Amino acid sequence: RKEVEQDPGPFNVPEGATVAFNCTYSNSASQSFFWYRQDCRKEPKLLMSVYSSGNEDGRFTAQLNRASQYISLLIRDSKLSDSATYLCVVNSARLSYGKLTFGQGTILTVHP
Amino acid sequence: DGGITQSPKYLFRKEGQNVTLSCEQNLNHDAMYWYRQDPGQGLRLIYYSQIVNDFQKGDIAEGYSVSREKKESFPLTVTSAQKNPTAFYLCASRADSLRPRDIQYFGAGTRLSVL
Repeated sequence: RKEVEQDPGPFNVPEGATVAFNCTYSNSASQSFFWYRQDCRKEPKLLMSVYSSGNEDGRFTAQLNRASQYISLLIRDSKLSDSATYLCVVNSARLSYGKLTFGQGTILTVHP
Repeated sequence: DGGITQSPKYLFRKEGQNVTLSCEQNLNHDAMYWYRQDPGQGLRLIYYSQIVNDFQKGDIAEGYSVSREKKESFPLTVTSAQKNPTAFYLCASRADSLRPRDIQYFGAGTRLSVL
């Protein structure tokens, strides 16, 4: 089983749609969680950290369920500019010295 | 501007050749990382360094070597022992490797191809 698993998609949605991505992780001792966005042939950039109580940043909402070991990202009112690959990222326990484990990414295409 | 600079942007390697990818950061970060990304796959950790003059192997270190002689610099050498080096190489840094919530920032990457 992979440490971090995502549905690779692709997700093809029209502008204005709401889309949700899920991600599961296997290490129950994982301490922190992130969503990164990666545009085609570019480096990943932080979209948002994920907190236990859930957090929102504009049209983006992230949730963490520690009991079930999954993380979600909800995008409301999708824009064409949201088209990208979304990477679920988990920071392993302290003794791994901050090693981040990346999911393979979920491809999102927003069309007019 | 603070950031991470990787060079070159594109690199071509001949059979049996060693090549070195540069990574420089002016963020005053202690920890630096090298990842490899293959098409359709997530990032895989090659090497990481928590502090100057110290580094550890990641998940796929075979065929690679690094050095960390200065805080700002973490070059990666792809040796001839790496038989499948074609990939997108990403350097990253974060302030402190032991603080779980510290954000990891990435350079723009180097695309390595074999001639």
